Amino acid sequence: GIQVEQSPPDLILQEGANSTLRCNFSDSVNNLQWFHQNPWGQLINLFYIPSGTKQNGRLSATTVATERYSLLYISSSQTTDSGVYFCAFGGSQGNLIFGKGTKLSVKP
Amino acid sequence: EADIYQTPRYLVIGTGKKITLECSQTMGHDKMYWYQQDPGMELHLIHYSYGVNSTEKGDLSSESTVSRIRTEHFPLTLESARPSHTSQYLCASGPGETQYFGPGTRLLVL
Repeated sequence: GIQVEQSPPDLILQEGANSTLRCNFSDSVNNLQWFHQNPWGQLINLFYIPSGTKQNGRLSATTVATERYSLLYISSSQTTDSGVYFCAFGGSQGNLIFGKGTKLSVKP
Repeated sequence: EADIYQTPRYLVIGTGKKITLECSQTMGHDKMYWYQQDPGMELHLIHYSYGVNSTEKGDLSSESTVSRIRTEHFPLTLESARPSHTSQYLCASGPGETQYFGPGTRLLVL
């Protein structure tokens, strides 16, 4: 099956810093999405981004499908950005296949 | 965005008990899913449904069962809980490519 690698696995930031999270795929994928899982376990949809670039406030994402990677940018990080960020892509059963995530801690 | 609900949010139960985790969504989505997530790990699909009376097992082997009698309701049942079932269970639904997740049920089996 398709392998997905997220980097870095862990990231500690000072409040106000910027960061880039990366997702690499071993083959072409469909329906690429980014999620944020908050410390209470809730998964929140950030972007549906099979290709191109999208922005939502301090967050933006870029997917280069031909090169099999996607990037999530967080600018001016806040403590509420802490949690785990997952990329995911469409599986054959209509489900989502998740990467192992990047655990982000933003310190005040 | 979908409204999707899960109950209970937290459950501590003894070995051998039968439990049902509830999941309901109000957006009329045909597709619903159950994922299992151990702490700090990725999500794994355990069950899915494409509509009423449709249920399938996912990639991760699970001793749980599901039913889909109504579009909005997709409960998951463990007939005899064991400590190995301790995990977080996340329900999701979606109209197509995008999925929306419930808040999850954290299950602890003693």
